[in-house]
Formats: sequence, C-alpha cells, structure tokens
Amino acid sequence: GEEVAQTPKHLVRGEGQKAKLYCAPIKGHSYVFWYQQVLKNEFKFLISFQNENVFDETGMPKERFSAKCLPNSPCSLEIQATKLEDSAVYFCASSGGFLETQYFGPGTRLLVL
Amino acid sequence: EDQVTQSPEALRLQEGESSSLNCSYTVSGLRGLFWYRQDPGKGPEFLFTLYSAGEEKEKERLKATLTKKESFLHITAPKPEDSATYLCAVHTTSGTYKYIFGTGTRLKVLA
Repeated sequence: GEEVAQTPKHLVRGEGQKAKLYCAPIKGHSYVFWYQQVLKNEFKFLISFQNENVFDETGMPKERFSAKCLPNSPCSLEIQATKLEDSAVYFCASSGGFLETQYFGPGTRLLVL
Repeated sequence: EDQVTQSPEALRLQEGESSSLNCSYTVSGLRGLFWYRQDPGKGPEFLFTLYSAGEEKEKERLKATLTKKESFLHITAPKPEDSATYLCAVHTTSGTYKYIFGTGTRLKVLA
C-alpha cells in the first residue's frame, strides 16, 4: 500500500499479559523501524529491519520485547509479560533506502493496567 | 552523546503572526535532518529533509533551513490548521540507521 498500516489502533492488557502489534510497511520499502512514544513526545528507537534481517536492535529491552519481519507477512512487535511502564504509543515507520525518509504509521496505543 | 533540542516547547500565535521554531543538534556527524508534523492521536507526517548546511526547503507557509548547528522551521502567516506538534529528527553517522528525535514544539494558532 501507499501508507504504513498498523494494527490494532488500541490495545489494553493487564500487567503480565502478552501484547502483539503489527505493521505493514509501504509497498516496496525494505526498511522497517519501531519507535515507542511516551510522555512529552519522547520518541525512543526500539529496532530496525532491512527486509527480514535485524538491522539495529540497540533500543530493544530484550528480556520481554521481540520483533520479526517475515516475507509476505506484516512485521510484528511482541511484548511478553507487559509492565505498566510499557504503556505508550508504538509507531512503525518504513523507508525505501538507507538514507531515505522514514514514513510513519498511525501508531498503536498500548495501555497496560 | 548525540542530542537534539527543540525550542520553544510550546508556542501560541495569532493567525497571520509569523514565527520560527528551532531545532539545535549536537551530533558526531549529520546524515540528514527531518521535520515532521504530528496531530493529536496520529503518526508523524513528513514535511522536509535537509542534508547540508545552507540548504532550504519550502512548502506552502513553511520553510525549513539548516546550519551546521541548528535548523529553523519558519511559519509565514500561519492559519489555525497549522496547529500541531512539530518534530525534528536527525539521522547521524554514529551507530546505525535510526532517528534521534527532539521533544517537539506544540504550536497553537488562534483565529
């Protein structure tokens, strides 16, 4: 498609439950990025992919967070055993090349109770 | 450590009152600087990319400029529909391929 698609729009989980978020990049884009936006517009980088390969995962809390981009499937970000501090908006972005602009999806708002 | 700072944090303008938003950066090396607009409850919408000092880009009432230390987003004769949060992000030569974001400027244009 011409836009980055993210599902679901909203997700509510009890503390300790699993959360799974999905992202379909713009058709033809080979790079996918995940960011977490918390209070006061703070964007935190989580992970990036080049096609199905992890490109940079320096922002991922590896104990509970995992992500995948498999061929012919939406990319996914999974949080095992959610914590209250995971409440945030998670944005996916995609780009066509290494130095090209990142285009963002509408985000998934995760609320952990 | 690479850092991006935006000012002011919030700005209220009357319709037609021109102003500028600032994005200053301290990075080891700059690959590109990006301006986005974010409306409440939505994802960042791309506005401009700037790659080198002296570069300028324009779109309708917006003009972005870049120096070696900062970028400005000039808003000429703003309208209420320009109300949004404006985000600046940099792509640096250190590390790999990720954006470092500023915390944004919340702009409110009053009719």
